[in-house]
Amino acid sequence: GAGVSQTPSNKVTEKGKYVELRCDPISGHTALYWYRQSLGQGPEFLIYFQGTGAADDSGLPNDRFFAVRPEGSVSTLKIQRTERGDSAVYLCASSLKGGPNYEQYFGPGTRLTVT
Amino acid sequence: AQKVTQAQTEISVVEKEDVTLDCVYETRDTTYYLFWYKQPPSGELVFLIRRNSFDEQNEISGRYSWNFQKSTSSFNFTITASQVVDSAVYFCALSEARQGAQKLVFGQGTRLTINP
Repeated sequence: GAGVSQTPSNKVTEKGKYVELRCDPISGHTALYWYRQSLGQGPEFLIYFQGTGAADDSGLPNDRFFAVRPEGSVSTLKIQRTERGDSAVYLCASSLKGGPNYEQYFGPGTRLTVT
Repeated sequence: AQKVTQAQTEISVVEKEDVTLDCVYETRDTTYYLFWYKQPPSGELVFLIRRNSFDEQNEISGRYSWNFQKSTSSFNFTITASQVVDSAVYFCALSEARQGAQKLVFGQGTRLTINP
């Protein structure tokens, strides 16, 4: 079956602009995660959704970052007033249910470059 | 606080050599999970293994084996008879097991290059 898909694969934007990154999880997966991976680093957790609600948003770096999952499937990560430090690969993962018992399947990521 | 340390930034070996990737973790929880993921050049993270903190048995899957030692807070990964296709960045990760704690905490990764 289809895996986790993310669009766009690459996004270049100017400092100060607004961007939206989209994640399509595996069908039927109730849990969805966003991570951010800077060059040469491991992924860092941003936010976790169980269904439509954000169950843990402790990893969002500041209030410029926001994510939604209105129908419990597709999720959008929104970044306002982008800064050069936001440049990274944004990874989305989904799992059948929440919790470490369930494997997280990762998408290919969106590479965001802020110029 | 949770922390995962992969001290080896890069490893380069010749094909058919055995190679061990080190992972040391820190957590205050008595129950937790440990993971290894592979990130090939394509960029997509691929799940390799999950281990519960109560299960210290070593595991072998083909050329891959994992050595979990709670006494030293380590979860090392060995590839036997390495192949060029094993070239990738490998990440060790930790997750708490308590209700509501779902996130993975990753190490910095080890870039493994297998030379023909």
